[in-house]
Amino acid sequence: GENVEQHPSTLSVQEGDSAVIKCTYSDSASNYFPWYKQELGKGPQLIIDIRSNVGEKKDQRIAVTLNKTAKHFSLHITETQPEDSAVYFCAATGGGQNFVFGPGTRLSVLP
Amino acid sequence: DAGVIQSPRHEVTEMGQEVTLRCKPISGHNSLFWYRQTMMRGLELLIYFNNNVPIDDSGMPEDRFSAKMPNASFSTLKIQPSEPRDSAVYFCASSLVAGINTGELFFGEGSRLTVL
Repeated sequence: GENVEQHPSTLSVQEGDSAVIKCTYSDSASNYFPWYKQELGKGPQLIIDIRSNVGEKKDQRIAVTLNKTAKHFSLHITETQPEDSAVYFCAATGGGQNFVFGPGTRLSVLP
Repeated sequence: DAGVIQSPRHEVTEMGQEVTLRCKPISGHNSLFWYRQTMMRGLELLIYFNNNVPIDDSGMPEDRFSAKMPNASFSTLKIQPSEPRDSAVYFCASSLVAGINTGELFFGEGSRLTVL
């Protein structure tokens, strides 16, 4: 089955700097890669996603890149703000709804 | 829409007791998921339903766990008997799946279970 790894597990950046989180997956059949943000005491919430027919997608300060050959995808957050502090999860699925989540990255944005 | 609604938000029980967690998905969504979140194992899919029918329950830990979806607006996850290792946050999520397209998961706020 699918296996998703995520690095780093924790990340601290200064406000205004960029943050990058990387994920790798094992199943070459996976074709949908969402990123979820989880704030303390809440459920995860989708922030951006990418499908396998696209190499990059951007939405304001966040962007995701996908390298299908290498089976990895990354989340990029620019001009970080304190409200970006949260746990971020990547996920992969090869169709259907069986999402496999990475272990998460705790991002801290220091003022 | 109120989003996915879960109850209870917190549950503390003793080992051996029955626990029932409840979920109301977003109206109009046709898929419902139960996830368990722990520090050690992260987010694990327990079971998911499509049009009220269980599609994949391979993540259900053992026979002590059962889930039902009697109608499109309600689902339960039951643990009987509960054990301390079941302590976790249980999330319900729903999505609208159209054809082969994978839909966004909308998560509830979770039910934090502590088994003493």
